[in-house]
Amino acid sequence: DTAVSQTPKYLVTQMGNDKSIKCEQNLGHDTMYWYKQDSKKFLKIMFSYNNKELIINETVPNRFSPKSPDKAHLNLHINSLELGDSAVYFCASSQGPLAGVTYEQYFGPGTRLTVT
Amino acid sequence: AQSVAQPEDQVNVAEGNPLTVKCTYSVSGNPYLFWYVQYPNRGLQFLLKYITGDNLVKGSYGFEAEFNKSQTSFHLKKPSALVSDSALYFCAVRDLSGGYNKLIFGAGTRLAVHP
Repeated sequence: DTAVSQTPKYLVTQMGNDKSIKCEQNLGHDTMYWYKQDSKKFLKIMFSYNNKELIINETVPNRFSPKSPDKAHLNLHINSLELGDSAVYFCASSQGPLAGVTYEQYFGPGTRLTVT
Repeated sequence: AQSVAQPEDQVNVAEGNPLTVKCTYSVSGNPYLFWYVQYPNRGLQFLLKYITGDNLVKGSYGFEAEFNKSQTSFHLKKPSALVSDSALYFCAVRDLSGGYNKLIFGAGTRLAVHP
């Protein structure tokens, strides 16, 4: 059983299109994240949700809109795709975001987005 | 702001030799530090973490890390490298700005273990 799964694994699309990436976790975790890994492998957090509530929103263009229908799912919708959006997007989950407790995060396999 | 630095882009080691992947940190307050590994075309996998307590932390796949407060370092080590250890290794630090946990990652170090 895959703990954190993402679909699709690969996504090739043209500039200006709108696309979505889906993420699901079966670990029973309360918190989910989206990360972007660029071509130099640098990894940066984009968003985090806790029990369907947005709790972390880094400086990300508003073309990116996360949605969490329930605590096991976190989707990422991207409008008007640009060349610079090409990257690998990772979903992750953890038991909780609370400041007093630090849990490790579990990552999905990634979605490689290529914008042409 | 919390940050970690991984000074080496790549580390080359012969199989069977000990390996070290370096990480230094800069934090305000107590550091919560992590190591993750990324195999080709895969997501990150958690290896180990330091929260408090013993400075030598043991993790998955025979890896360990040594927390050194005076040198602000958290180097990843393994006594005997395997070819299968070849991967990209990330050091990370917890950031609490905004009141919620998030991880700040280093740039990554590619480990190449040669037969």
